[in-house]
Amino acid sequence: DGGITQSPKYLFRKEGQNVTLSCEQNLNHDAMYWYRQDPGQGLRLIYYSQIVNDFQKGDIAEGYSVSREKKESFPLTVTSAQKNPTAFYLCASQAVSNQPQHFGDGTRLSIL
Amino acid sequence: SQELEQSPQSLIVQEGKNLTINCTSSKTLYGLYWYKQKYGEGLIFLMMLQKGGEEKSHEKITAKLDEKKQQSSLHITASQPSHAGIYLCGADLSGTYKYIFGTGTRLKVLA
Repeated sequence: DGGITQSPKYLFRKEGQNVTLSCEQNLNHDAMYWYRQDPGQGLRLIYYSQIVNDFQKGDIAEGYSVSREKKESFPLTVTSAQKNPTAFYLCASQAVSNQPQHFGDGTRLSIL
Repeated sequence: SQELEQSPQSLIVQEGKNLTINCTSSKTLYGLYWYKQKYGEGLIFLMMLQKGGEEKSHEKITAKLDEKKQQSSLHITASQPSHAGIYLCGADLSGTYKYIFGTGTRLKVLA
């Protein structure tokens, strides 16, 4: 079945450590997105990519990095510079700009 | 302030009752998307509205986009416990790939 796969479902980070969240899609969508969801704040855009080898910062990019080397993959690295990384992270993909985004099941990141 | 305001923030209804959730923007909406989320899970796409005055239905859920394209409503008829969850509206305000989302409406349906 076509869809978006995020892994792992739960992730724990130690202080000073970088961690990478995986997002893979087999929908052949050009655009991919990373959002952060905190209680009561809805979704906030971290990074997005409209095409392979290109990506743009969203509203809260500080402390995060991404790469888009393949159309199917858009990994997100939460660096040690992100001081409050505990959140639910959602990846999405989109075929074209006037079509809905489709979401993965999310990764919950916690700090040890 | 939020660019996309949702109301109410939470709603508790008795099974069988109708309910409405609103999503209001201060800018013209190029596209308005409704999603449902169960706690700890991803967002499930419900409906997309793009034209002023457009109305779409899926099972017992109806969504409308007003003529000025600045407000949308989601109406559930004869609610069931399976309708419980968080409803979010998302919008394209600039005609680009960037979406913004409302803060969500948490719905609980009492059996």
